[in-house]
Amino acid sequence: AQKVTQAQTEISVVEKEDVTLDCVYETRDTTYYLFWYKQPPSGELVFLIRRNSFDEQNEISGRYSWNFQKSTSSFNFTITASQVVDSAVYFCALSSYTGTASKLTFGTGTRLQVTL
Amino acid sequence: GAVVSQHPSRVICKSGTSVKIECRSLDFQATTMFWYRQFPKQSLMLMATSNEGSKATYEQGVEKDKFLINHASLTLSTLTVASAHPEDSSFYICSAQRQETQYFGPGTRLLVL
Repeated sequence: AQKVTQAQTEISVVEKEDVTLDCVYETRDTTYYLFWYKQPPSGELVFLIRRNSFDEQNEISGRYSWNFQKSTSSFNFTITASQVVDSAVYFCALSSYTGTASKLTFGTGTRLQVTL
Repeated sequence: GAVVSQHPSRVICKSGTSVKIECRSLDFQATTMFWYRQFPKQSLMLMATSNEGSKATYEQGVEKDKFLINHASLTLSTLTVASAHPEDSSFYICSAQRQETQYFGPGTRLLVL
């Protein structure tokens, strides 16, 4: 069975601080995908990144960066110089490709509050 | 690219009414769409996987006669909540799969009085 753990329920930071959201996963599959989604107060889930299990290169996109470490089954997400607009719930998710559909297993989410 | 719309965004209805929610992939074709339910301050719960031209696959515990799913085209899936009751009040979100990624719609807030 697959499992995604986001141990941090809520994080509160002051604007311009860096913040790291943790994600630990469990799977028996050798090929899988990891995702991060952002859910602002409006409710829509916004896709941020997808990572393949065979690609452990870290990725940076503007103020966002992701650290994928297969050895520790972690896929952490760092926001540099946080802004108020980053306030949202962030979900880490895991999927395995079953041929036609990739069902997602979500973590419980981390609520990030960025204040002035 | 990869835009998914949902309609309506908000529904308030009386108990016993059936409610239909539409999910459309606007700029890509999706063989597979998914329907989720989300309670306040909780994660997403997968209700069913919708495959174009075939019957939906429901998750354990989800009543297929209550939550009717139709995926008649490669850009449209619908969820009908039959004879809605107050306990069906929730936030319903759909997603459409493009390659290995699910792209989500903006969600529908259903309130059953």
